[in-house]
Amino acid sequence: AQSVTQLGSHVSVSEGALVLLRCNYSSSVPPYLFWYVQYPNQGLQLLLKYTTGATLVKGINGFEAEFKKSETSFHLTKPSAHMSDAAEYFCAVSPLTGGGNKLTFGTGTQLKVEL
Amino acid sequence: KAGVTQTPRYLIKTRGQQVTLSCSPISGHRSVSWYQQTPGQGLQFLFEYFSETQRNKGNFPGRFSGRQFSNSRSEMNVSTLELGDSALYLCASSLAGGGSVVTEAFFGQGTRLTVV
Repeated sequence: AQSVTQLGSHVSVSEGALVLLRCNYSSSVPPYLFWYVQYPNQGLQLLLKYTTGATLVKGINGFEAEFKKSETSFHLTKPSAHMSDAAEYFCAVSPLTGGGNKLTFGTGTQLKVEL
Repeated sequence: KAGVTQTPRYLIKTRGQQVTLSCSPISGHRSVSWYQQTPGQGLQFLFEYFSETQRNKGNFPGRFSGRQFSNSRSEMNVSTLELGDSALYLCASSLAGGGSVVTEAFFGQGTRLTVV
């Protein structure tokens, strides 16, 4: 079964600093990978996704992630944090075939941005 | 275009009762998935419907059920509510039918269910 591990349930950065949120996946075959963001009392919004092709994926709001098969990782980064980035971030995987639209999520990382 | 609409947004029920939650997907989307979000268990997949058929099912008891109508709208039902069923229930709709094609899942704002 596929699974996702997010290291660090809480991450705090200063405004303008680099954001790095870690995600490692467990799968015998590289799955599809996603990062979602959730603001308080809201649903999830897709930041970016990796399916095939280029391993560096750019998403919305200045976020990007790099798929590294050798490290089974898909870490999310943003060069300069903004106060509006404070939210909870979820890494998710979906199987390549037969999985329909079933997502398996990590436990989430709460990002705090301080002045 | 309109996003995924979930109704109601908030719900309070008593143990032992049953509840029905509704999800209207984005127009043209045929896949609807349901997730339960709790502080302890995180986001967990309940089930997915595509063209009125349940295509995937998560590891939840039979008290949790769902259905999809011909217009792709979906409902989920929880019978004999337990305190542990208190959660945010999220619905997501997608355009494609899965398989080797994965498209973005658009989430609704969720229904916050409190069981007392």
